[in-house]
Amino acid sequence: DQQVKQNSPSLSVQEGRISILNCDYTNSMFDYFLWYKKYPAEGPTFLISISSIKDKNEDGRFTVFLNKSAKHLSLHIVPSQPGDSAVYFCAASGQEGGSYIPTFGRGTSLIVHP
Amino acid sequence: ETGVTQTPRHLVMGMTNKKSLKCEQHLGHNAMYWYKQSAKKPLELMFVYNFKEQTENNSVPSRFSPECPNSSHLFLHLHTLQPEDSALYLCASSQVGVGGNIAGELFFGEGSRLTVL
Repeated sequence: DQQVKQNSPSLSVQEGRISILNCDYTNSMFDYFLWYKKYPAEGPTFLISISSIKDKNEDGRFTVFLNKSAKHLSLHIVPSQPGDSAVYFCAASGQEGGSYIPTFGRGTSLIVHP
Repeated sequence: ETGVTQTPRHLVMGMTNKKSLKCEQHLGHNAMYWYKQSAKKPLELMFVYNFKEQTENNSVPSRFSPECPNSSHLFLHLHTLQPEDSALYLCASSQVGVGGNIAGELFFGEGSRLTVL
């Protein structure tokens, strides 16, 4: 059973507009939520994270929102740029034996059109 | 070399072959991971090594055999694989414990694309 779900396999947005990527999770024990970005022929790279004790974290054009009661988080990119076109993975982690190992969703492919 | 490097980048093998994937991290981290990425599936955790000791084995078939000779190197030995094992195999590292990275932040290599014929 998937603990981290990204129900939209793809998203298409015009340059300059806002991109909103969504993620749902089922395990209420997760402490941290992360977004990774992956370009073709490259490994995923960490983008931004949020602790379960917060509801918002912002880093430049990227903002992650967390709604714990709904077990939902979203990544907002504004303004979107063509270079943001990539696959975005949502991940969540909880402490297991002293370390945090993320569980990933399937990814959402974002295409930003010039 | 910086970051996490994986070799080979592409591998084609028959079902009776034996091959190995190699991963090396140059970040001074103390934990290393193997993930599998299949089309339209989540990244699946296969193995975790903390301080060279295997701490996770997510019900991975024995035809996949990991080896971690030191904290900088990780291997995945492949033997009698099936066509459904064709996937992108990603290695990652992180620093766990005191002074570690953001919880759950992993540093990935570029992956080894495996095709089993």
